[in-house]
Amino acid sequence: AQSVAQPEDQVNVAEGNPLTVKCTYSVSGNPYLFWYVQYPNRGLQFLLKYITGDNLVKGSYGFEAEFNKSQTSFHLKKPSALVSDSALYFCAVRGPLGGYQKVTFGTGTKLQVIP
Amino acid sequence: GAGVSQSPRYKVAKRGQDVALRCDPISGHVSLFWYQQALGQGPEFLTYFQNEAQLDKSGLPSDRFFAERPEGSVSTLKIQRTQQEDSAVYLCASSLGQGGSEQYFGPGTRLTVT
Repeated sequence: AQSVAQPEDQVNVAEGNPLTVKCTYSVSGNPYLFWYVQYPNRGLQFLLKYITGDNLVKGSYGFEAEFNKSQTSFHLKKPSALVSDSALYFCAVRGPLGGYQKVTFGTGTKLQVIP
Repeated sequence: GAGVSQSPRYKVAKRGQDVALRCDPISGHVSLFWYQQALGQGPEFLTYFQNEAQLDKSGLPSDRFFAERPEGSVSTLKIQRTQQEDSAVYLCASSLGQGGSEQYFGPGTRLTVT
């Protein structure tokens, strides 16, 4: 069975500082990996995904994530945090390749950017 | 363009009532997913459609839950004889295909069972 772990319930970072939101996964074979963001009273929005190729993927709003196969991680990063980045972030995994694969979400990490 | 829409946005039901939640996916999206999200938690998979075919319903918590997508577009999630533990936000998502296709989520329906 596949699984996703987001070890931090909440991450606090000062505005302008770099941020990292951690995600590790477990799946047989090569995965598809996703990050979604949820603002209060809003649906989840897609940020970025890793399918294959370059381990560093760039997405919306200046976010990027690094796929590390040996550490089975897909941490979300941003060089300079904005107050408007404060939201709930979900990592998701889908795999292995081929056929139908269920998407499994992590429990979410609340990001609080402090002015 | 239009995104995924869900109705109603809020639903209050008395225990034992039946409810029907509607999802309008993005036009042309083959895949449609239903999730249940408890407060402060990640979405939990309920069921998956590819066009009109329900390929996976392993996440439906009981036989009181039923989903359909008869023409491969609009989908309805029905909950019969609602219980208090059914209170949650129900999310619908659609995607263009499988695999690496990202999902587009609706705003959700918040169901409260009293």
